[in-house]
Amino acid sequence: NAGVMQNPRHLVRRRGQEARLRCSPMKGHSHVYWYRQLPEEGLKFMVYLQKENIIDESGMPKERFSAEFPKEGPSILRIQQVVRGDSAAYFCASSPPARGNYNEQFFGPGTRLTVL
Amino acid sequence: AQTVTQSQPEMSVQEAETVTLSCTYDTSESDYYLFWYKQPPSRQMILVIRQEAYKQQNATENRFSVNFQKAAKSFSLKISDSQLGDAAMYFCAYKYSGAGSYQLTFGKGTKLSVIP
Repeated sequence: NAGVMQNPRHLVRRRGQEARLRCSPMKGHSHVYWYRQLPEEGLKFMVYLQKENIIDESGMPKERFSAEFPKEGPSILRIQQVVRGDSAAYFCASSPPARGNYNEQFFGPGTRLTVL
Repeated sequence: AQTVTQSQPEMSVQEAETVTLSCTYDTSESDYYLFWYKQPPSRQMILVIRQEAYKQQNATENRFSVNFQKAAKSFSLKISDSQLGDAAMYFCAYKYSGAGSYQLTFGKGTKLSVIP
């Protein structure tokens, strides 16, 4: 069973361009989470999605950031008009449908975004 | 809001020795989970150990064990017989176990070096 896959692993963008980060969850997982790791920091929650639904986006910046998890295909984290402060590692995690109160999140290898 | 604090930015240990990484957290909840994640240079987040707050017994996974002090809100990780492969960033994380809670809250991490 392949793990959570993220691509690209490294992404370089110039200020003002758009960045699209992709996440394919583990087989059988219908829940996806996005986290951001700034340099010298721990991971910070951004958004939680189920198929075709955003469940919790309380950690998403109000502007320029959006996320989707369509019925078919990977989850996409989209950053419009990137700025240098968006440079970070972006991690995706997935989990199976919830059983009780514990639902382990399995992490992908992350995408490192560098904004020039 | 919940917070997780790791007061040791860096630690080092001699190979085959034992090291303890510290973590404190702040929450008003009584039911929650605590985790230690390992992030090697590959940046892949790997779950090391998990503790349920309602369990008094400390979790153990092979060479990894925790000292969970609920009243003190302390959750330290002990690594016994340290190996070169243990060198990594270690993150302590918290998750409320109540319904509708999805976020993992991470500390800033401790960088562990293993000296041959």
